Amino acid sequence: AQTVTQSQPEMSVQEAETVTLSCTYDTSESDYYLFWYKQPPSRQMILVIRQEAYKQQNATENRFSVNFQKAAKSFSLKISDSQLGDAAMYFCAYRSALESQGNLIFGKGTKLSVKP
Amino acid sequence: EAGVTQSPTHLIKTRGQQATLRCSPISGHTSVYWYQQALGLGLQFLLWYDEGEERNRGNFPPRFSGRQFPNYSSELNVNALELEDSALYLCASSLAQVEQFFGPGTRLTVL
Repeated sequence: AQTVTQSQPEMSVQEAETVTLSCTYDTSESDYYLFWYKQPPSRQMILVIRQEAYKQQNATENRFSVNFQKAAKSFSLKISDSQLGDAAMYFCAYRSALESQGNLIFGKGTKLSVKP
Repeated sequence: EAGVTQSPTHLIKTRGQQATLRCSPISGHTSVYWYQQALGLGLQFLLWYDEGEERNRGNFPPRFSGRQFPNYSSELNVNALELEDSALYLCASSLAQVEQFFGPGTRLTVL
């Protein structure tokens, strides 16, 4: 069974600075997808970024980028130029590429605080 | 374009009762997923419906059940409620089963 581990329950960053959230996963599959979701206090889960395992290039979405290390099974999220609105719970998630396994497997989350 | 909607926002029940939670997916999405977010347990997968059929279910007892209607909306039913069923229940929808888009959730409190 696949597992996702987020080893940092809480992180803090100064506004305008850069922070990196860690995520490791365990799987025997070679094809899969990885995601970072953000859950602000309003509780609506928002997709931040997505990475396909077969792609070597790291995904980037504006101020958000990932460092995907397939051999190490590591998938960290870097937030540049942090803003107050980035404060939220961040969840790393895994999805198998198998059609029969459509659900997401989530880590426990990292609570990010942004200091003004 | 409207996002995933869920109702009710909050639901309070007592032990032993039944709860029904509803979800409307994004227009055109055929898959609906249900997740439970309980305090301290993170997000756990409950059920996946696609084209009206149950495709997969997580490690939850049979008193958690649901269905998907012809318009792709979905219902989650929880029978014989227990205190530990208190949680935020999130619904997500997808097309082609890759990216999932979440609704705002239903907060279920069991007294």
